[in-house]
Amino acid sequence: GENVEQHPSTLSVQEGDSAVIKCTYSDSASNYFPWYKQELGKRPQLIIDIRSNVGEKKDQRIAVTLNKTAKHFSLHITETQPEDSAVYFCAASSGRDDKIIFGKGTRLHILP
Amino acid sequence: SAVISQKPSRDICQRGTSLTIQCQVDSQVTMMFWYRQQPGQSLTLIATANQGSEATYESGFVIDKFPISRPNLTFSTLTVSNMSPEDSSIYLCSVKGATPNTGELFFGEGSRLTVL
Repeated sequence: GENVEQHPSTLSVQEGDSAVIKCTYSDSASNYFPWYKQELGKRPQLIIDIRSNVGEKKDQRIAVTLNKTAKHFSLHITETQPEDSAVYFCAASSGRDDKIIFGKGTRLHILP
Repeated sequence: SAVISQKPSRDICQRGTSLTIQCQVDSQVTMMFWYRQQPGQSLTLIATANQGSEATYESGFVIDKFPISRPNLTFSTLTVSNMSPEDSSIYLCSVKGATPNTGELFFGEGSRLTVL
């Protein structure tokens, strides 16, 4: 089955700087890669996703890149703000069975 | 989007007992997914609940421990049986949105179980 690895587990960046979180996946049939943000005590929420027919997608300050050959994808957050502090999860789905498998998460701290 | 209601939101349980978590969705969905999130950990898929058939369990999870019901397209239950302190966790119900070709998962607010 699918296995998603995520790094780093914790990331601290100065407010205004950029943050990058990286993930790899194992199943070459995976074709959908979402990123979720989970604030303390709240449910995870989708912030951006990318499908395997696209190499990059951007939405304001966040962007995701995908390298299918290397089976890795990354989340980029620019001009970080205090409200970006949260746990971020990458995930992958093959579409065969519709299930979504999550990475272990990255706790992002934005330092004042 | 989908609105998902879960209950109970939290409970404290005694070792050896069982607890059933209910999940109600505001629209008809084909598949419902049950995840477990242990404190400070990731979201681990327990099983996929399909209406009209047996749930499909992930490696490490078995039906005797986590029986699932899916009586219709808007409702599912997950039972945590013969609980031990290791079962203390947040259990989340989730569904995909109704819009075709979108993969977004919507989560319930979770059920936080503490086993003493």
